[in-house]
Amino acid sequence: EVQLLESGGGLGQPGGSLRLSCAASGFTFSSYALSWVRQAPGKGLEWVSTINSIGGSTYYADSVKGRFTISRDNSKNTLYLQMDSLRAEDTALYYCAKPRGATVFDNWGQGTLVTVSS
Amino acid sequence: EIVMTQSPATLSVSPGERATLSCRASQSVSSDLAWYQHKPGQAPRLLIHGASSRATGIAARFSGSGSGTEFTLTINSLQSEDFAVYYCQHYNYWPPTFGQGTKLEIK
Repeated sequence: EVQLLESGGGLGQPGGSLRLSCAASGFTFSSYALSWVRQAPGKGLEWVSTINSIGGSTYYADSVKGRFTISRDNSKNTLYLQMDSLRAEDTALYYCAKPRGATVFDNWGQGTLVTVSS
Repeated sequence: EIVMTQSPATLSVSPGERATLSCRASQSVSSDLAWYQHKPGQAPRLLIHGASSRATGIAARFSGSGSGTEFTLTINSLQSEDFAVYYCQHYNYWPPTFGQGTKLEIK
């Protein structure tokens, strides 16, 4: 059974940093691209970032480009999202998601909540 | 980026009836269209990919259709567990984008 467990959320200061982690199990981690998708309070889903299976290619939404960095450690079966220069509009529930191919997300974690506020 | 527009924003349907949800893309996405169900406090669940292919374990009462710019999710014989928010998402090219969601509520 595929399991994705996010952690690292919490209260961040505007202009500050947070690092999210997603521990994965139940599948061959190094064979799959992985993504982060977020949902701001009362809003819909927003794709944030994707990294390919070996970490050589990364993709970002314009809203986070230059501020967020996605990475992975295939030896630890863990996905990361380094969030710098945080803004209030980054407040959201952040999901780790595994695609079945491309960016069709067939497995999701339960999410970790990030709140950006002074 | 491609803008996905869902309608209606809220749909009220009685259990046992059929619900029809629409999704429109601002430009063609071929059949690169997925539908998700999202309930409060739960992770989203993939229902449909490739516009019309049901994901693993999804009940046959869920069906998707369309291509290009116009897509439909149909839910037959609505069950109590089907009342949720539904999102469409294209994955034709970067960035993948979601619609704003349709809330399916009990009438």
